[in-house]
Amino acid sequence: ETGVTQSPTHLIKTRGQQVTLRCSSQSGHNTVSWYQQALGQGPQFIFQYYREEENGRGNFPPRFSGLQFPNYSSELNVNALELDDSALYLCASSLLRQGGNGNYGYTFGSGTRLTVV
Amino acid sequence: GQQLNQSPQSMFIQEGEDVSMNCTSSSIFNTWLWYKQDPGEGPVLLIALYKAGELTSNGRLTAQFGITRKDSFLNISASIPSDVGIYFCAGQPSYNFNKFYFGSGTKLNVKP
Repeated sequence: ETGVTQSPTHLIKTRGQQVTLRCSSQSGHNTVSWYQQALGQGPQFIFQYYREEENGRGNFPPRFSGLQFPNYSSELNVNALELDDSALYLCASSLLRQGGNGNYGYTFGSGTRLTVV
Repeated sequence: GQQLNQSPQSMFIQEGEDVSMNCTSSSIFNTWLWYKQDPGEGPVLLIALYKAGELTSNGRLTAQFGITRKDSFLNISASIPSDVGIYFCAGQPSYNFNKFYFGSGTKLNVKP
């Protein structure tokens, strides 16, 4: 088991810029989800990808977008960065249950700490 | 939107004591997960629960999926200093299988 890996670990961007965060899923997992965790809060769901398509989205604007690749790695892209986008961004991979009615427990990466100045 | 109420917000206990924390929701959930997060790290899965009434242990940790499917608790027995951290519950509602909602966390402090 290789676990979930994310890159970079830390990033500083200027307001208005664009950023791409990367994630490699745990071996054998077929879904990738992204979460935003502000300081002192629980993670907030951004979106989930399965078979390279978005199949669930939280309350985030369209400037948050993603990609999932055939090898189940994933990207999170954020355009027009705002100061409030500063947070820890977490990637989680999981195995979608047979019948598609739920995921077996998420495995999280260590996250990317994004600071927007 | 869906909210998970996690309590207590923080706890200060003596090494060796038992700990209990819980989460409640307004909706029926089909999965409950419990995580521990250390500073600067991602959450680490402790216990996963998939059936109402399920009681599962992982070493000194025990968690249960409430029979109403709207709550779950996590117990830690005989706490040790390395139990320090933030514990999160996460639930997957029955009406949306593609996302998890997280509680706001319980910060555990253990005095040696």
